[in-house]
Amino acid sequence: KQEVTQIPAALSVPEGENLVLNCSFTDSAIYNLQWFRQDPGKGLTSLLLIQSSQREQTSGRLNASLDKSSGRSTLYIAASQPGDSATYLCAVFDTGGFKTIFGAGTRLFVKA
Amino acid sequence: DGGITQSPKYLFRKEGQNVTLSCEQNLNHDAMYWYRQDPGQGLRLIYYSQIVNDFQKGDIAEGYSVSREKKESFPLTVTSAQKNPTAFYLCASRRQGSTEAFFGQGTRLTVV
Repeated sequence: KQEVTQIPAALSVPEGENLVLNCSFTDSAIYNLQWFRQDPGKGLTSLLLIQSSQREQTSGRLNASLDKSSGRSTLYIAASQPGDSATYLCAVFDTGGFKTIFGAGTRLFVKA
Repeated sequence: DGGITQSPKYLFRKEGQNVTLSCEQNLNHDAMYWYRQDPGQGLRLIYYSQIVNDFQKGDIAEGYSVSREKKESFPLTVTSAQKNPTAFYLCASRRQGSTEAFFGQGTRLTVV
């Protein structure tokens, strides 16, 4: 059964710092991996989608990498800002059940 | 504007009552999903539907029911059999042939 783990569970950094969020999954048979942002009490906003055949995707200050063989993904945020404060969720689209499986998220706080 | 609309945003339920959460999408997506989110946990799949008039149980379907009479709509009923229904509920959809999921803004259900 596919399991997705995110480390750390929470992270507090000063503004301007570069940071890395980690995501690991137990079964490499995935179609894609998606990173989401969730603000308190809100739905999920898709940040980056990496297909299983890709190694990385970039959008602005965000860069996500995927190493399917080792079951790992990282989300790199450059020059963090207070507006980046949110929970970041990683999810894989599993080939076994054809559904999306989520990690518990990393709660990020960027201090001004 | 295309998107997924969940209503209501907040819902209060008395013990023993059934309540129905609405999810409507105008993205012409074939697949729709219901997830439950509890504090500190990832999203857990309740039910999903890949086509009209067909749906499957997810990982935590007990105490919930759904219908899919129209492509645009996938309502979730939380029945009195669900012993701990207080949670944040998220609806998602996906276009056929794509593995990217799009989410609504969620409904927070509280038992009073």
